[in-house]
Amino acid sequence: QVQLVQSGAEVKKPGSSVKVSCKASGGAFGSYTINWVRQAPGQGLEWLGRIIPIFHKTHYAQIFQGRLTLTADESTATVYMELSSLRSEDTAVYFCARDSSLGVTPLEFWGQGTLVTVSS
Amino acid sequence: DIVLTQSPGTLSLSPGERATLSCRASQSFSSNYLAWYQQKPGQAPRLLIYYASTRATGIPDRFSGSGSGTDFTLTISRLEPADFAVYFCQYYGTSPPTFGQGTKVEIK
Repeated sequence: QVQLVQSGAEVKKPGSSVKVSCKASGGAFGSYTINWVRQAPGQGLEWLGRIIPIFHKTHYAQIFQGRLTLTADESTATVYMELSSLRSEDTAVYFCARDSSLGVTPLEFWGQGTLVTVSS
Repeated sequence: DIVLTQSPGTLSLSPGERATLSCRASQSFSSNYLAWYQQKPGQAPRLLIYYASTRATGIPDRFSGSGSGTDFTLTISRLEPADFAVYFCQYYGTSPPTFGQGTKVEIK
């Protein structure tokens, strides 16, 4: 069974960066796209970007270009999401989610979420 | 980007009733790359439906999806207590994936 386990909650100052990890187990790691989605308190879901670990190929939502970096470490089956120049509006729960299979597929497997709080 | 608009914002129903949720896209897209997710408080979303009408693994058959082009529907035939939650539609094609704003199904 595929499992995604994320790192713990973070509290950051405005202007700083945060790096959240997502460790996969129970399935082939490299070929499946890992997406990042966030949810501000009481709000909907917002897609940030995705990475295909085996190719280190990334695709970012335009509004996060220049602030978001996704990386993958195949040796530990872990994907990292780093968001820089944090502001209060970045306060949200950040989820990693894996596509259900190869190709164009929905998000079937989700991490438990990581709360990132940006506050002075 | 494809904008998804869900309606209604909130649906107040009783257990046993039928729920009909709508998701309208700003433009038509191919291959029906439309998914539905259920989310309960404090939990990650759960995939219910993909390719507009295919149930994900383990999803009961009271959940069904339909539609194509720009208009999609999620139907819950007979609401059970565990079904009261927020539902999101998602376009997951190669253009940036986008989500609808969600429909909350609450107990009347």
